[in-house]
Amino acid sequence: DADVTQTPRNRITKTGKRIMLECSQTKGHDRMYWYRQDPGLGLRLIYYSFDVKDINKGEISDGYSVSRQAQAKFSLSLESAIPNQTALYFCATKTGYSGELFFGEGSRLTVL
Amino acid sequence: AQKVTQAQTEISVVEKEDVTLDCVYETRDTTYYLFWYKQPPSGELVFLIRRNSFDEQNEISGRYSWNFQKSTSSFNFTITASQVVDSAVYFCALTSYGSSNTGKLIFGQGTTLQVKP
Repeated sequence: DADVTQTPRNRITKTGKRIMLECSQTKGHDRMYWYRQDPGLGLRLIYYSFDVKDINKGEISDGYSVSRQAQAKFSLSLESAIPNQTALYFCATKTGYSGELFFGEGSRLTVL
Repeated sequence: AQKVTQAQTEISVVEKEDVTLDCVYETRDTTYYLFWYKQPPSGELVFLIRRNSFDEQNEISGRYSWNFQKSTSSFNFTITASQVVDSAVYFCALTSYGSSNTGKLIFGQGTTLQVKP
């Protein structure tokens, strides 16, 4: 089983619908991140969390919200999805400042 | 501000050719870490290497090698004798250990490498 698990892996939805992407990890890391990948733009940070009481906005947080339900769970919500939120979303975890990110397998979201 | 630039959007080579992927970064912090990730067509992100700002030694791992030069703020990645399985998108990333550090990684735009048989 993957150390960082994302659900769903693929989702097609319509404009205006509420969507939740879930992430769980078994690595025991405190830090969790949500990134968005768009062609030609690389990965951009949406939100990150250092623990259940510490949640921070990244560079593109507008239109998104998150919840850190437990150390191992970090979910991303789109309250009212719009087509330009169509992207590949990655959850990631790390330990400490200098460590590498461990990524989930990605969730591909299409908003029609 | 921190920034990572991968100026090469797409590179196409024939199998067995050597190829270098460029990465240029910007940061005001003196302590930072650089990374390379590989994203094969299946979509997952695979960690390749981490290098800290105090270690400018080049590193070689099999057919992969990395050239870190602080003087030019570059961290280039070379694949020797490329193979079809090397076809992927490659990302360079930066995290700084400074007063504003959050541990987040700043990614470049990615370079798509196509290795033809």
